[in-house]
Amino acid sequence: SQQGEEDPQALSIQEGENATMNCSYKTSINNLQWYRQNSGRGLVHLILIRSNEREKHSGRLRVTLDTSKKSSSLLITASRAADTASYFCATATDSWGKLQFGAGTQVVVTP
Amino acid sequence: SAVISQKPSRDICQRGTSLTIQCQVDSQVTMMFWYRQQPGQSLTLIATANQGSEATYESGFVIDKFPISRPNLTFSTLTVSNMSPEDSSIYLCSVADGTDTQYFGPGTRLTVL
Repeated sequence: SQQGEEDPQALSIQEGENATMNCSYKTSINNLQWYRQNSGRGLVHLILIRSNEREKHSGRLRVTLDTSKKSSSLLITASRAADTASYFCATATDSWGKLQFGAGTQVVVTP
Repeated sequence: SAVISQKPSRDICQRGTSLTIQCQVDSQVTMMFWYRQQPGQSLTLIATANQGSEATYESGFVIDKFPISRPNLTFSTLTVSNMSPEDSSIYLCSVADGTDTQYFGPGTRLTVL
């Protein structure tokens, strides 16, 4: 069964706009990871945030984690057409542990 | 980060046959996993491939249907046995590099006719 729920399921924006997607989960976690998948290909790792962290940045990406609400958000700033992809959150309940994935958010960025 | 390759990248198979998917990593890793992604769906963990011992399967997946080998710390195989159209999916292996981060291979797209 999936640990996470993501919303929205789909998001359509124009280049230059920001995209925000949310992930909620059900049980306590060790860490939460965000991935990008282009057209059903392999997953690209974006960011890992640990349960004792609240915010992380990587380039145009910003991830927040609120363990009290069991939720995380991924913000992509100044989006580009190349950001068009599906984005997944995945939670691990322990170190090196197996991941449980959310349903994913499909993002389309139009020029 | 680990570089992971999978073979084949895609295949079209007839029902009732079996396909073995290979996963090769460019460095020794402790943990290797196999996931399935059915069309339009998210990823579901099939099993953890343990080096030197039997794989650990998740609920709903059994060894007879998805036998897994892990002969060393850089290689694993997943076999999809007695295939049916419902097995049409992308199969991905992943590895954990000791920093909690999991990296994924490019996936094997399987179509069963």
